[in-house]
Amino acid sequence: GENVEQHPSTLSVQEGDSAVIKCTYSDSASNYFPWYKQELGKRPQLIIDIRSNVGEKKDQRIAVTLNKTAKHFSLHITETQPEDSAVYFCAALASYIPTFGRGTSLIVHP
Amino acid sequence: DSGVTQTPKHLITATGQRVTLRCSPRSGDLSVYWYQQSLDQGLQFLIQYYNGEERAKGNILERFSAQQFPDLHSELNLSSLELGDSALYFCASSVGGAASYNEQFFGPGTRLTVL
Repeated sequence: GENVEQHPSTLSVQEGDSAVIKCTYSDSASNYFPWYKQELGKRPQLIIDIRSNVGEKKDQRIAVTLNKTAKHFSLHITETQPEDSAVYFCAALASYIPTFGRGTSLIVHP
Repeated sequence: DSGVTQTPKHLITATGQRVTLRCSPRSGDLSVYWYQQSLDQGLQFLIQYYNGEERAKGNILERFSAQQFPDLHSELNLSSLELGDSALYFCASSVGGAASYNEQFFGPGTRLTVL
């Protein structure tokens, strides 16, 4: 089955800095890669996603890049703000089955 | 508010017991997903239903079962509960259809504690 590795597990940055979270996947059949933000005690919420036929997607301060050859994708957050502090999960979907990374706890210090 | 509802919000029960978790998807969504989130295992996909039929199965134990009813709500049944089943259980829904890449909207979750 699919295996998704996510790094780092914890990321601490100063407000205004950029943050990068990386994921690798194993199943070349995976064709959809969403990123979720989960605040403490809340539900996961989709923040951005990318399909396998696209290499990069941007939405304001958030961007995702996908390298199908290397089987890795990354989340980039620029100009971080304290409200960006949360746990971020990547996922890869193949044949309707989502596999999640273990999560990255992002801490943005004011 | 995602439009996905889950009941109950909290559930405390004893080992060996059976519980049922309920999920109502967003209006118009045909797919329902069930997930288990625990500290040591992260977010694990259990099972997906599309328009009443099982579509995909993940790491769901044989002690667990689910179904989606004609009105599209879904129930997750957990039986012979063990301490390790204590977790947050999320339901998510999406439009569904032929593509696997439809945005999923998560419910608020049910926190299950097995004593």
